[in-house]
Amino acid sequence: KAGVTQTPRYLIKTRGQQVTLSCSPISGHRSVSWYQQTPGQGLQFLFEYFSETQRNKGNFPGRFSGRQFSNSRSEMNVSTLELGDSALYLCASSFLAGKDTGELFFGEGSRLTVL
Amino acid sequence: AQSVTQLGSHVSVSEGALVLLRCNYSSSVPPYLFWYVQYPNQGLQLLLKYTSAATLVKGINGFEAEFKKSETSFHLTKPSAHMSDAAEYFCAVSDPFGYSTLTFGKGTMLLVSP
Repeated sequence: KAGVTQTPRYLIKTRGQQVTLSCSPISGHRSVSWYQQTPGQGLQFLFEYFSETQRNKGNFPGRFSGRQFSNSRSEMNVSTLELGDSALYLCASSFLAGKDTGELFFGEGSRLTVL
Repeated sequence: AQSVTQLGSHVSVSEGALVLLRCNYSSSVPPYLFWYVQYPNQGLQLLLKYTSAATLVKGINGFEAEFKKSETSFHLTKPSAHMSDAAEYFCAVSDPFGYSTLTFGKGTMLLVSP
């Protein structure tokens, strides 16, 4: 069974540009979450989607957005990139909705560098 | 709001020694708790999870953790460290509202020396 797949794995952008990251969850998983990982702030929750609906959102500016498609694949977009957006962006999927699931399955991440 | 505190950003042990990584949490409702491991340039892998069944939870690679409600702790242990255990470990608590959202601690880097 294939795991969570994130593309691209590495990318370099300049300030002011925008970026789109893609995530394909494990087959059958309907919930997709996104996390930002930086050395200073650690792992911070961005947002979670379930059945194409955003169910939960972290404390990030509106420049960060996401969506989920009918096949559960998800994308996140960051517009007007800033140097501080340099991070590892991790996508995670889970099978069911709600607290009873708990367990998240993570992809290997997309490492974004903003110059 | 829930939070997780991991004591010690770095822990060093010798191969064969006991591994103890500390995690304390705060949560408004009985939590689900998790330990994840991250190897360099990889995502997070679940080691074990507590979901209100047995308070002593056994995970992969010989790790285990004990949920202690009175101490609001969920420390991770392994009797004998192996070189391959060197990685970063994250403790996490579930969202009390039932979403698939975890709040993570800052992480503890485990260094294992020969």
